[in-house]
Amino acid sequence: GQSLEQPSEVTAVEGAIVQINCTYQTSGFYGLSWYQQHDGGAPTFLSYNGLDGLEETGRFSSFLSRSDSYGYLLLQELQMKDSASYFCAAAGSSASKIIFGSGTRLSIRP
Amino acid sequence: DVKVTQSSRYLVKRTGEKVFLECVQDMDHENMFWYRQDPGLGLRLIYFSYDVKMKEKGDIPEGYSVSREKKERFSLILESASTNQTSMYLCASSLGGWADTQYFGPGTRLTVL
Repeated sequence: GQSLEQPSEVTAVEGAIVQINCTYQTSGFYGLSWYQQHDGGAPTFLSYNGLDGLEETGRFSSFLSRSDSYGYLLLQELQMKDSASYFCAAAGSSASKIIFGSGTRLSIRP
Repeated sequence: DVKVTQSSRYLVKRTGEKVFLECVQDMDHENMFWYRQDPGLGLRLIYFSYDVKMKEKGDIPEGYSVSREKKERFSLILESASTNQTSMYLCASSLGGWADTQYFGPGTRLTVL
């Protein structure tokens, strides 16, 4: 079957760095996306990895290793506003193969 | 900025009712999607459409149908609502392929009594 695994909760300290991991098992794979969702809000796109390696966008970076079926989202210089749920999503061989992980709830302490 | 709007933020319906959820995007996107989001399950794809009048089933199409008569509008239909369809429904659109960035609407929280 198809699945994405990510931790359900992560807690970090303001100003620190946190890594949210995602392992996937899909039939056909094109890339891994990351979305952020604040409570009561809509998911918003953060990054996409179509190739192995690191993609950096400001304080956020995302990494993909196809050989390990693994990716992660790295958040640096954490701010309180980064408290949200983060979803990884795998793009498969067709739109019907788009699957989302169950989400990681990131809580940030002062 | 891309804007995706959904017809209702909150909706309460009774079992057996026919329910229409409307989604409109203003950026001429080819692809539109309907998801439901439940605690602990993430987002699950119900249906998507890659062109007017074209649709494909996602992971959980049972109990749902869709309609796309115009490019900007994608409707989700619950023919006979049931309590297990109580959920948050999210619409999204994307410009390019399905792997492209998806832009989500604010969601409709549907409660079926």
